[in-house]
Amino acid sequence: GQNIDQPTEMTATEGAIVQINCTYQTSGFNGLFWYQQHAGEAPTFLSYNVLDGLEEKGRFSSFLSRSKGYSYLLLKELQMKDSASYLCAALDSNYQLIWGAGTKLIIKP
Amino acid sequence: SQTIHQWPATLVQPVGSPLSLECTVEGTSNPNLYWYRQAAGRGLQLLFYSVGIGQISSEVPQNLSASRPQDRQFILSSKKLLLSDSGFYLCAWKGLADTGELFFGEGSRLTVL
Repeated sequence: GQNIDQPTEMTATEGAIVQINCTYQTSGFNGLFWYQQHAGEAPTFLSYNVLDGLEEKGRFSSFLSRSKGYSYLLLKELQMKDSASYLCAALDSNYQLIWGAGTKLIIKP
Repeated sequence: SQTIHQWPATLVQPVGSPLSLECTVEGTSNPNLYWYRQAAGRGLQLLFYSVGIGQISSEVPQNLSASRPQDRQFILSSKKLLLSDSGFYLCAWKGLADTGELFFGEGSRLTVL
């Protein structure tokens, strides 16, 4: 079967760094997405990785290892507005997205 | 620029009543459109997707249906709602970039009592 695993909840301090991990098992693979979702709102696109390595975009970076079926989202210089759920999603061989349940990130002052 | 809107934002409906959620996309033609449901603590569940007018693919058999009467309009319906239909419903379209990321509407919170 197809599966995405990510932690349910994480807590971090304002100004610190946090890494949210995601492991995936899919029938075929065509890329890995990260989305941010604030409570009661729709998800918004953060990043896409299809090749191994780190993609940096401002305070946010995303890493992919295809051989390990593993990705992480790294958030630096955390701000209170980063409190949200972070959704990991893998694109399978049929170009359908398989979604994780999301990681709720709580930022404390 | 492209925009996507869905409505209504919030619904409270009794069991057995009908449902209609509407989604429209502006600024693009022949978009791939999707309806997702998000239950608390669970990942997004794909309900329907459409690659063109009148073309609907159903991913999960249930008492919901979808229609695409116009190129940029996607409607989610039910004749008789169940308690288990409660959730956050999201319409999305697939962007034009090679990455194919999804852009979501504002979401519709449905509570069935």
